[in-house]
Amino acid sequence: EAQVTQNPRYLITVTGKKLTVTCSQNMNHEYMSWYRQDPGLGLRQIYYSMNVEVTDKGDVPEGYKVSRKEKRNFPLILESPSPNQTSLYFCASKRQGISPLHFGNGTRLTVT
Amino acid sequence: DQQVKQNSPSLSVQEGRISILNCDYTNSMFDYFLWYKKYPAEGPTFLISISSIKDKNEDGRFTVFLNKSAKHLSLHIVPSQPGDSAVYFCAARDGGGADGLTFGKGTHLIIQP
Repeated sequence: EAQVTQNPRYLITVTGKKLTVTCSQNMNHEYMSWYRQDPGLGLRQIYYSMNVEVTDKGDVPEGYKVSRKEKRNFPLILESPSPNQTSLYFCASKRQGISPLHFGNGTRLTVT
Repeated sequence: DQQVKQNSPSLSVQEGRISILNCDYTNSMFDYFLWYKKYPAEGPTFLISISSIKDKNEDGRFTVFLNKSAKHLSLHIVPSQPGDSAVYFCAARDGGGADGLTFGKGTHLIIQP
């Protein structure tokens, strides 16, 4: 089954404790991206990658890092999480060009 | 500056009637428009799309209309069913940009029995 898989689904952590949210897709998509969803703000792009070893900032990159060492994986790293990063995170992937994004089921992160 | 705007945070429609969700955009470089549906505790799922060279695309109960001169698109759902209750996001691709999608803030559609 074609899918984008994120882990974990839920995560509660404390300020400053480094964490990684994993994302993997099995559709051989070149493009991958991370979004966060907050009440009243919709979906905002954090980082994206157009292919292996190519990453770039989205609209709200501060406090986040990503890497794209393999085509299928695109982990999101929070080196020193803060409470304002409490949010619902979505990983997504797509083919290059005019095609829809496919989303994972989300990771709900709470930073206390 | 919001490039994709969904001005109605919520919409309530009676079952069996038509649901019309609206979206406005400002970027003339957008060349591909999409609608996503999102249930609680799930990721957004792709619903329907339209290229900027067309003005209408239909898929079953769902039709998307694009008015380029007004920079406006709409999603029509006919007839509305209880399972259509969800948050709907409008999204657009910048043909001159980095291939990503810009999303609106979403409209919560509630289908009343």
